Amino acid sequence: SAVISQKPSRDICQRGTSLTIQCQVDSQVTMMFWYRQQPGQSLTLIATANQGSEATYESGFVIDKFPISRPNLTFSTLTVSNMSPEDSSIYLCSVCLDSNQPQHFGDGTRLSIL
Amino acid sequence: RKEVEQDPGPFNVPEGATVAFNCTYSNSASQSFFWYRQDCRKEPKLLMSVYSSGNEDGRFTAQLNRASQYISLLIRDSKLSDSATYLCVVTLNAGNNRKLIWGLGTSLAVNP
Repeated sequence: SAVISQKPSRDICQRGTSLTIQCQVDSQVTMMFWYRQQPGQSLTLIATANQGSEATYESGFVIDKFPISRPNLTFSTLTVSNMSPEDSSIYLCSVCLDSNQPQHFGDGTRLSIL
Repeated sequence: RKEVEQDPGPFNVPEGATVAFNCTYSNSASQSFFWYRQDCRKEPKLLMSVYSSGNEDGRFTAQLNRASQYISLLIRDSKLSDSATYLCVVTLNAGNNRKLIWGLGTSLAVNP
């Protein structure tokens, strides 16, 4: 499986600011995803990060709020924009080597907004 | 009906007990099945894939029943360290698109 490095591991941010989360993989992967997990909840897919093109967002998530970059097959960023307390959550980067393989996750970014 | 359903528990069992979780899925076209384990405030980690023939990994056994559209996870000789949330995951592949559907998880507490 791939080794996934995600940073920052945690942050406390002020309302109205933005934070960019980075995800670095030690090998080229076809599929990269960004998830959110709110307290006591299961995982919610935010978007699929597509290399060289715009991310594919799930219902309820928009590019203006969660811009995503994926400049190559080993790296992606997720920005949480104009943060509010409702954005307090764990954000997880996930990769998949091919469509029949399980996904693997980074350690997550624990985000708290004051 | 939810796409993937799990009993949220919690399951409270003594050490050494055998415990089983089921997970039902609604889409008969589902192709791949996995169990993940998630510890409190940690990321999910793959526990095992689930194959049609069933598979075993040490104290863990996973089964798939396509006819009834459920998968199961059996844990034998429970350890304190097995306490976690167990997430069922089902995938649907459509061309290059892959959709993962996560259950809400079943909470297990193994007590001394």
